[in-house]
Amino acid sequence: NAGVTQTPKFRILKIGQSMTLQCTQDMNHNYMYWYRQDPGMGLKLIYYSVGAGITDKGEVPNGYNVSRSTTEDFPLRLELAAPSQTSVYFCASRGGEGSRGGVGKRAEAFFGQGTRLTVV
Amino acid sequence: AQSVTQPDIHITVSEGASLELRCNYSYGATPYLFWYVQSPGQGLQLLLKYFSGDTLVQGIKGFEAEFKRSQSSFNLRKPSVHWSDAAEYFCAVGANTGTASKLTFGTGTRLQVTL
Repeated sequence: NAGVTQTPKFRILKIGQSMTLQCTQDMNHNYMYWYRQDPGMGLKLIYYSVGAGITDKGEVPNGYNVSRSTTEDFPLRLELAAPSQTSVYFCASRGGEGSRGGVGKRAEAFFGQGTRLTVV
Repeated sequence: AQSVTQPDIHITVSEGASLELRCNYSYGATPYLFWYVQSPGQGLQLLLKYFSGDTLVQGIKGFEAEFKRSQSSFNLRKPSVHWSDAAEYFCAVGANTGTASKLTFGTGTRLQVTL
C-alpha cells in the first residue's frame, strides 16, 4: 500500500531557483492538498484540488503554483524560490464526495511523509 | 470561515498520568473533526475522527475524543500516557463537499512525557 508518495524528501535551493515537489496517490482520491508546516504555526493550506482539472487557492498560495492533470498526481511548483519558502511541505489526499467507502472513510485524509525544503 | 484553536502549545505529563488536549472549532454546520499525531520528522497519522453518531469516539493507541456541540469542542483524552506518546498533536476540521472540502488545522500541541 503506497498511499501518498512525496518526492524528494529533502532539497536545498538557492534563491531564485525553481523546483517542483511531486505528489502522487494510488487510492483514487478526489481531493488533494498541499500544506506547509512552520514551527509553532501548524499546517497552512497552500492549494487544494477537488478533482482532475480543478484547483483552488488556500490560505498561503503566493509564490506557488499547482496543476491537477490526473487524479493521481498533484505537483507543487515554486518558480522563484525565496527564503520565506523554507519549510516542510506535506501533500495529503482524501476520498471526498463521489468516492468509494462510507462517509467516515471519504472524510479521512492521508498524508505523505513530507519534503523538507531549505532556500539559501 | 472554518477555524480550529488549540489553546495549549506545550503540555508535559508524567508517564501513567491522564491526558486531555483541548480543541475548539468554528464551523457553520456539523463538522467533520479529526485528531492527528506527528512524531519528529514524520508525516501525520490519523488518531481518530468524528463525522456523525456517537459523540464519544475511540481511536488508535488508546485515545478517545468527545464531540461537544454546545461547547464547539473536540478534546482528546487518554487515561494513561506512555512515553511513546510524546509527539505533536493536531486537531482539524473539515467537510465532505463543495467549497468546504478544505481541511483546516490547529497550530498543534506538543506533548512531552516525563518518566
